[in-house]
Amino acid sequence: EVQLLESGGGLVQPGGSLRLSCAASGFTFSSSAMTWVRQAPGKGLEWVSTISGSGDKTYYAGSVKGRFTISRDNSENTLYLQMNSLRAEDTAVYYCAKDRVRIAAPGNFDSWGQGTLVTVSS
Amino acid sequence: EIVLTQSPGTLSLSPGERATLSCRASQSVSNNYLAWYQQKPGQAPRLLIFGASSRATGIPDRFSGSGSGTDFIFTISRLEPEDFAVYYCQQYGSSPVTFGGGTKVEIK
Repeated sequence: EVQLLESGGGLVQPGGSLRLSCAASGFTFSSSAMTWVRQAPGKGLEWVSTISGSGDKTYYAGSVKGRFTISRDNSENTLYLQMNSLRAEDTAVYYCAKDRVRIAAPGNFDSWGQGTLVTVSS
Repeated sequence: EIVLTQSPGTLSLSPGERATLSCRASQSVSNNYLAWYQQKPGQAPRLLIFGASSRATGIPDRFSGSGSGTDFIFTISRLEPEDFAVYYCQQYGSSPVTFGGGTKVEIK
């Protein structure tokens, strides 16, 4: 059974940094592209970033490019999202998600974690 | 980027009725790479449909998808109590991947 467990969320001041983690199990982690999707309170879903299975290709939404960095440790089956220069509009639940079939680019997502809440506020 | 517009915003129906949701893209979705997700309050989204019309693993056949190009339809043939939720479409044919704003299916 695929399991994805996010951690690292919390309250941070504007301009601050936070690193999210997603521990994966139940599938061959290095064979799946992995993605972060976020959802602001009461709002819809927003794709944030994707990393290829090998980690050599990364993709970012325009709203986070230059501030967020996605990475992965395939030896530890863990996905990361380093978030810098955080803004109030980054406040959201952040989900990690496994791509259904793609290895190298964002596709559709057949397994999701339960999410971790990031609140950016002074 | 491709903008996905879902309609209606809210659909009020009774159990046993048929639900029809629309997702319109601002430009053609490459290879009909269009997915549908269900999200219940406090839960993560769940993949229902990919490739516009293929059901994901374990998804009941009362859920179906159709369409191509810029116009896509998601149908629940007979609503079960557990189907009342928010539904999102997503395109993954062009970068960046984008989601629609969602349709809430509520109990009438």
